Amino acid sequence: KQEVTQIPAALSVPEGENLVLNCSFTDSAIYNLQWFRQDPGKGLTSLLLIQSSQREQTSGRLNASLDKSSGRSTLYIAASQPGDSATYLCAVGGSGGSYIPTFGRGTSLIVHP
Amino acid sequence: DADVTQTPRNRITKTGKRIMLECSQTKGHDRMYWYRQDPGLGLRLIYYSFDVKDINKGEISDGYSVSRQAQAKFSLSLESAIPNQTALYFCATSDFYGDTDTQYFGPGTRLTVL
Repeated sequence: KQEVTQIPAALSVPEGENLVLNCSFTDSAIYNLQWFRQDPGKGLTSLLLIQSSQREQTSGRLNASLDKSSGRSTLYIAASQPGDSATYLCAVGGSGGSYIPTFGRGTSLIVHP
Repeated sequence: DADVTQTPRNRITKTGKRIMLECSQTKGHDRMYWYRQDPGLGLRLIYYSFDVKDINKGEISDGYSVSRQAQAKFSLSLESAIPNQTALYFCATSDFYGDTDTQYFGPGTRLTVL
């Protein structure tokens, strides 16, 4: 059974810092990996999706990398802003076209001015 | 308008009541999912459907049932609600095409069972 772990569980940083969120998974036979953002009491918004054949994806100040062999993904946020405060979740999808994602528990990020 | 909508957004009910949560999508996706989210436990899959005639149990289906009325509609029912079903419920859709299968989430339904 796939297990997904996100470290740290919570993070508080001053505005302007570059930061890295970590996601690890136990079964490397994944189809893809997706990073989401969730604001308190709200739904999940997709940030980046990395296919298993890719190493990284970038969107604005966000960069996500994937290392299947070691079972790890990182989400890099450059020049953090208070508006980045949210919970970030990663989800890994199974192989063979049966994309049933397994979610991590998330990293709660607070960026203070 | 939102691509994935859920009704109601909030619901308070009593133990033993039957509750239905509804999900509609305008994305034209075949795949739909129901999740629940609990503090400290993350997101867990209840049921999923890859097309109108395909319904599958997820990790925690006991106490729940679903109906896929159309490609665009997927309902979740709690036959006899109990307090430990108090949670935030999310509907999601995805469209497996090529090498991508991005999930899109609704805004969630906050359910409280007293």
